[in-house]
Amino acid sequence: SQQGEEDPQALSIQEGENATMNCSYKTSINNLQWYRQNSGRGLVHLILIRSNEREKHSGRLRVTLDTSKKSSSLLITASRAADTASYFCATDEWGAQKLVFGQGTRLTINP
Amino acid sequence: NAGVMQNPRHLVRRRGQEARLRCSPMKGHSHVYWYRQLPEEGLKFMVYLQKENIIDESGMPKERFSAEFPKEGPSILRIQQVVRGDSAAYFCASSQEQGISEQYFGPGTRLTVT
Repeated sequence: SQQGEEDPQALSIQEGENATMNCSYKTSINNLQWYRQNSGRGLVHLILIRSNEREKHSGRLRVTLDTSKKSSSLLITASRAADTASYFCATDEWGAQKLVFGQGTRLTINP
Repeated sequence: NAGVMQNPRHLVRRRGQEARLRCSPMKGHSHVYWYRQLPEEGLKFMVYLQKENIIDESGMPKERFSAEFPKEGPSILRIQQVVRGDSAAYFCASSQEQGISEQYFGPGTRLTVT
């Protein structure tokens, strides 16, 4: 199976609500990163959390990492229409430089 | 303070032609990565290069695909004798140094093979 599986595959919420996306992975990792991709565009780096960290904040974003469960979550608080995009988690294994991406969560924020 | 640059942004090729995709990393970055994204899917790693060296090409198809990152100039991803299945978005990323895996992505090149 693919490393870095996101859940759910698609999420639609009302503006102002919080959005939570989850990511699971299979191997030991060095760190985990979340990216955003607007339709037809490149990837924007959101946040990186290292394997020895449990939680990290950046503005309206909150990322958690549970290495015992090999999972991470991305929380976007007070969502805005501009948050509509696909969100990907990416992991890199110890000793490897390449990132392994999941299939992504397509988030739609309804005004 | 330019980010990762890729050109062209869109490329149309007929079956059997060659496609050349270019990537200039961020200033000060010496590590370049190429990824491919098929529609509605995540990115798949292709190759990791440093100046004049291919470090990891485990994601590259064995035939028709090659990559280079010369001492001077951009990194090039070259696809020979393109087929329809090569149609995808190709993204380049760069990072500052080994062990720092925060990668910054370019806008991508969308290749369409007709």
